[in-house]
Amino acid sequence: GEDVEQSLFLSVREGDSSVINCTYTDSSSTYLYWYKQEPGAGLQLLTYIFSNMDMKQDQRLTVLLNKKDKHLSLRIADTQTGDSAIYFCAEQDSNTGKLIFGQGTTLQVKP
Amino acid sequence: KAGVTQTPRYLIKTRGQQVTLSCSPISGHRSVSWYQQTPGQGLQFLFEYFSETQRNKGNFPGRFSGRQFSNSRSEMNVSTLELGDSALYLCASSLIPTRRTLNGNEQFFGPGTRLTVL
Repeated sequence: GEDVEQSLFLSVREGDSSVINCTYTDSSSTYLYWYKQEPGAGLQLLTYIFSNMDMKQDQRLTVLLNKKDKHLSLRIADTQTGDSAIYFCAEQDSNTGKLIFGQGTTLQVKP
Repeated sequence: KAGVTQTPRYLIKTRGQQVTLSCSPISGHRSVSWYQQTPGQGLQFLFEYFSETQRNKGNFPGRFSGRQFSNSRSEMNVSTLELGDSALYLCASSLIPTRRTLNGNEQFFGPGTRLTVL
């Protein structure tokens, strides 16, 4: 079945890099996504990567994809207190297109 | 361009009642998906509508239903509310049906409706 796993919590110091990891099961997923959710808010799409790519960089964000191991990571460079939020990894069901989300990783940034 | 709007933002109901939530997608977007977010189950797909037709449905009981209007606005209805229906209900809009992803389907989420069932 489809399943997306993430670690639940990450704490870093301001200015450090954060790496949030995710594993997924649907090898036929074409796109994988990272969303951010701040308290009381909906989901904000941060970035996504096509399954035939290994890496995608967008300003402070770097997404790495290891398709063989079905492992996805999000690296946030120079992490700021405003990056504190819950980060969700999601794979796209190849048949229906629906998003299948991980449990979310709470990122805590300490000043 | 205005984002996805959801109304109401907060709702309190009692068991057995029914509730209707509304979602207005981004102008020009024709696909609307609904998700339920709870601490225990996380984010789960409810259903997707495109051109007034339900395209996909998640694993939820028949008490959960929805519809889409000709202007792409969507409503979801939950009948005979149970305590476990307390959740944040998120709506997401996209330009095309989520299945037809050619360049990565960007689904834009609204702020959600927080439903509390007492």
